[in-house]
Amino acid sequence: QVHLVESGGGLVKPGGSLRLSCAASGFSFSDYYMSWIRQAPGKGLEWVSFINDGSRYTSYADSVQGRFTISRDNAKNSLYLQMNNLRAEDTAVYYCARGTRAVAGPWGQGTLVTVSS
Amino acid sequence: DVVMTQSPLSLPVTLGQPASISCRSSQSLVYSDGNTYLNWFHQRPGQSPGRLIYQVSNRDSGVPDRFSGSGSDTDFTLKISRVEAEDVGVYYCMQGTHWPYTFGQGTKLEIK
Repeated sequence: QVHLVESGGGLVKPGGSLRLSCAASGFSFSDYYMSWIRQAPGKGLEWVSFINDGSRYTSYADSVQGRFTISRDNAKNSLYLQMNNLRAEDTAVYYCARGTRAVAGPWGQGTLVTVSS
Repeated sequence: DVVMTQSPLSLPVTLGQPASISCRSSQSLVYSDGNTYLNWFHQRPGQSPGRLIYQVSNRDSGVPDRFSGSGSDTDFTLKISRVEAEDVGVYYCMQGTHWPYTFGQGTKLEIK
C-alpha cells in the first residue's frame, strides 16, 4: 500500500537551513505530482509547494518563495524540500503528500521543523 | 488567495446524531476542466490528516457511507448521518482549483 515517510526535521536557528526528505513506496512515484504541506503547532494546514511528475514544473506559496526549493529523484522514489533562511514562522510539521488538486491519502506522519534561537 | 470559510468551528454532537459542516469559498471552485476540486479531510488527535471526500462528493475507499459531501460553485457541505466515537477530531475543507491551494480553518468535532 501507499507509504510516505518524511525525515530531516529538527531544531534550527533563524536564518539556518534544513533539507527534508520523503521516501515513497507502494505506488508508481514517477507518475504522480507531489506536494509539501505544513501545519504549525496547534494550527491549520498550509500548502507549501508542489512539483510535477517530471520535475519541470514547481509552484510555491508566497510565504516560502525564494527560500524553499522542492525537488525529486524518481529513481530513488524520493521527494525533497530544501529550506533556506528559515524563520520562526516556518516552525511546523511538514507532510509530503501524493498529488495536488485532489491530494490523495494517506499522508506521511510528518517531520517537525522548529526554528528557534 | 481563495479564502475557505468553515462553520461552525466547534461542533459538539451526541453519539448517533447527525452533524453538518459548511465550507464557503471566496471564488468559484469550478476549474477550467469542468471539475470542482473541493476536498474534505479528517485529522484525529495526534495523527496526520486523511482525505474523506474528493471533488465535492466522492468518498475515498474505506470511508463509511455515513459521510457525504455535497455542494457546488462556492458553497459546500460535509454531512455525517450518525456520529460515532471515531469521528472526533478536526475536519478541513480544501480547494485545489486556484493556486495556492487553501484549507479552511478547521471544524473541531467532539462528542457531547
